Amino acid sequence: SQQGEEDPQALSIQEGENATMNCSYKTSINNLQWYRQNSGRGLVHLILIRSNEREKHSGRLRVTLDTSKKSSSLLITASRAADTASYFCATDAGANNLFFGTGTRLTVIP
Amino acid sequence: DTGVSQNPRHKITKRGQNVTFRCDPISEHNRLYWYRQTLGQGPEFLTYFQNEAQLEKSRLLSDRFSAERPKGSFSTLEIQRTEQGDSAMYLCASSPDLIENTIYFGEGSWLTVV
Repeated sequence: SQQGEEDPQALSIQEGENATMNCSYKTSINNLQWYRQNSGRGLVHLILIRSNEREKHSGRLRVTLDTSKKSSSLLITASRAADTASYFCATDAGANNLFFGTGTRLTVIP
Repeated sequence: DTGVSQNPRHKITKRGQNVTFRCDPISEHNRLYWYRQTLGQGPEFLTYFQNEAQLEKSRLLSDRFSAERPKGSFSTLEIQRTEQGDSAMYLCASSPDLIENTIYFGEGSWLTVV
């Protein structure tokens, strides 16, 4: 079974707006990561946040982590059409591999 | 290109045939993973190698599936007696790092069983 669940399943915004995606997970983690996937392509690592961190930034990306609620959010600011993709959170849950959620499909309308 | 390389990128096969996918990880990455992804879902873990040793297998990996990494470099994933339910994208990933577990994916191999 998959560890994480993203919300919303799909999101459509205008270019320039901010996009927020949420992820909830079930068990204790060492870290949480966000990946991006363009249609039909492999996944690209975006950002990793450790369990002892609460917020992290990378360019236009901002990730938060609330371990008490077992949840994370990914904020993409000033979205661009090229940000159109599916976004997945992934957790390690103490294992030697990553467990992925079902993803949020983001569409940025030019 | 020094990324994870997978081939073939697309494979159409008749039900009952065997197929094999190859993955070349990033050089010097000693961890290698196989995932499966169906439309609208996230990747599901299949198996993981540390060098040539297969250390973990998912329950999804039925006895028709076998993965090898004979010299600790490239890996193959074979599916025997394919079924229509095997249609999916098979993703390979590699990682150099034990602690943070950031993994780097290839572009995937699409399998269509007709």
